[in-house]
Amino acid sequence: AQSVTQPDIHITVSEGASLELRCNYSYGATPYLFWYVQSPGQGLQLLLKYFSGDTLVQGIKGFEAEFKRSQSSFNLRKPSVHWSDAAEYFCAVGAGTNAGKSTFGDGTTLTVKP
Amino acid sequence: DTEVTQTPKHLVMGMTNKKSLKCEQHMGHRAMYWYKQKAKKPPELMFVYSYEKLSINESVPSRFSPECPNSSLLNLHLHALQPEDSALYLCASSQAGAAEYEQYFGPGTRLTVT
Repeated sequence: AQSVTQPDIHITVSEGASLELRCNYSYGATPYLFWYVQSPGQGLQLLLKYFSGDTLVQGIKGFEAEFKRSQSSFNLRKPSVHWSDAAEYFCAVGAGTNAGKSTFGDGTTLTVKP
Repeated sequence: DTEVTQTPKHLVMGMTNKKSLKCEQHMGHRAMYWYKQKAKKPPELMFVYSYEKLSINESVPSRFSPECPNSSLLNLHLHALQPEDSALYLCASSQAGAAEYEQYFGPGTRLTVT
């Protein structure tokens, strides 16, 4: 079965600083990988996804993520964080053997300091 | 239209009440999902409907009863809930019930069981 680990429970960055959120997955084949963002009291919004091709994926709101098979990682990055990026970030993996069933990481809470 | 709508936004119910949550999407998606989310936790999958048929039930107690009347609509019927069922209930949809498709989430219904 697939699994996802987000090692950082909480990250604080200053506005304008760069950001990297870590995600490690466990799955035997090439997984389908997603990053979602959730603002307080809201649903989840897809930031970006990867399932084949270029390992550097561009998403919405200036986010990008890089798939590294050798490290089983799919880290999310943003070069300059805005105060509105403060939210909960979830990495998720979908596997072909569990059609429609994504496994979510525990999430990383991002706080942005002015 | 890439929106998933959920009603009501908030619901307070007693343990003997019967209520229903409603979810609607008009994106032509053929898979729909119910998740339960506790504070500071990732969404937990409850049910998946694929082409209006229940395809996944994650061993959810029978006091939760899903229904998919048509391809655009998903209901969750609630009866005799417990206080520990208080949570944010999220609905999502995807193009099909396969791992490579991202999910579109609604804003959720905040449920409080008294």
